Amino acid sequence: AQRVTQPEKLLSVFKGAPVELKCNYSYSGSPELFWYVQYSRQRLQLLLRHISRESIKGFTADLNKGETSFHLKKPFAQEEDSAMYYCALVTGGFKTIFGAGTRLFVKA
Amino acid sequence: EPEVTQTPSHQVTQMGQEVILRCVPISNHLYFYWYRQILGQKVEFLVSFYNNEISEKSEIFDDQFSVERPDGSNFTLKIRSTKLEDSAMYFCASSPPGQGGSPLHFGNGTRLTVT
Repeated sequence: AQRVTQPEKLLSVFKGAPVELKCNYSYSGSPELFWYVQYSRQRLQLLLRHISRESIKGFTADLNKGETSFHLKKPFAQEEDSAMYYCALVTGGFKTIFGAGTRLFVKA
Repeated sequence: EPEVTQTPSHQVTQMGQEVILRCVPISNHLYFYWYRQILGQKVEFLVSFYNNEISEKSEIFDDQFSVERPDGSNFTLKIRSTKLEDSAMYFCASSPPGQGGSPLHFGNGTRLTVT
């Protein structure tokens, strides 16, 4: 079955603390994984994709095929990182499956 | 930066009525999608559209739903005989040529309330 699991609905950290948002996937093919973010009153937008292997706004995510994970990390959280984060898996090219999302709250 | 636009932002309709949700994808994009998010639940894939036909659809996308690209710019989702459980946020998305399925550029969504 194709599935994306984000176990935490809410993650609350202090400013400057490290952040890790967990994502696990289930897919028999070669996975194409993304993180999308939705800031307050803004549209859902792409944060990063695994094939780019880039850092966006200080966030990185590494695909671990052995653990079927694609966790999102940032060493020092900022207040402006507070948002809803969705892990997403593309299957067969035309369909993206989203996890339930994790709300990150960064406290001052 | 070009954006996907959706109208209306909020639609209220009575059960049994038909609604049409409208979207204008980014102009040079070739792949179009509809997703929905019921309050408190995950974003769910409904349908993808490429080359003037449906390329993939979910089990949610039954005969009650249809999509159309009536001209070169609009992409619509029609919901016939709406039910209370159709109340949700509906998102339109598009993606560029050569990148079918990803990454998605989303509109702001239409909140559909069925009473």
